[in-house]
Amino acid sequence: GQQLNQSPQSMFIQEGEDVSMNCTSSSIFNTWLWYKQDPGEGPVLLIALYKAGELTSNGRLTAQFGITRKDSFLNISASIPSDVGIYFCGNAGNMLTFGGGTRLMVKP
Amino acid sequence: DTEVTQTPKHLVMGMTNKKSLKCEQHMGHRAMYWYKQKAKKPPELMFVYSYEKLSINESVPSRFSPECPNSSLLNLHLHALQPEDSALYLCASSPPGRSIYGYTFGSGTRLTVV
Repeated sequence: GQQLNQSPQSMFIQEGEDVSMNCTSSSIFNTWLWYKQDPGEGPVLLIALYKAGELTSNGRLTAQFGITRKDSFLNISASIPSDVGIYFCGNAGNMLTFGGGTRLMVKP
Repeated sequence: DTEVTQTPKHLVMGMTNKKSLKCEQHMGHRAMYWYKQKAKKPPELMFVYSYEKLSINESVPSRFSPECPNSSLLNLHLHALQPEDSALYLCASSPPGRSIYGYTFGSGTRLTVV
């Protein structure tokens, strides 16, 4: 089956810093989804990408669909404490499958 | 209403107990899903219901029994679970065949099997 490799696994950054995480796949995707999961909650959709090369923003978040259609990245600018959580990339084919997640910790 | 509601939020059960997890959505979504999430891992798909019919069972043990009584409700019946089944169980919904727009997840049920 398809595998989504997400990196880094965790990040511990200072408030105000920018953050970058990425996801790679062994297969070509038609859709990339980025989710955030807060402790004790379900994942919430942040950004959806549908076209190779597409760059989409949601506030301080920016995500891009790689040209090869096998990768995507998510950037967070000027991080704040409420950015803490686990970020998952996802592929929506017949069903939604997730990458391993990036755990983000922000030091005030 | 753009929410998926799961009850209970927390559940502790013994290995001989029978319990049920409940999920409800009123977004008119005709596809509903159960995911299992262990600590520090991503959610893993268990079951998919489309138009109230089970369409995917990801080789889940029979001690987990899903049920979709109507288009708004999804249950997961639990019986004779093992301690390793302790996890966060997430319900999600989407328009069927439209997974590219993402699923809406509930907050989950934190299950502990003792």
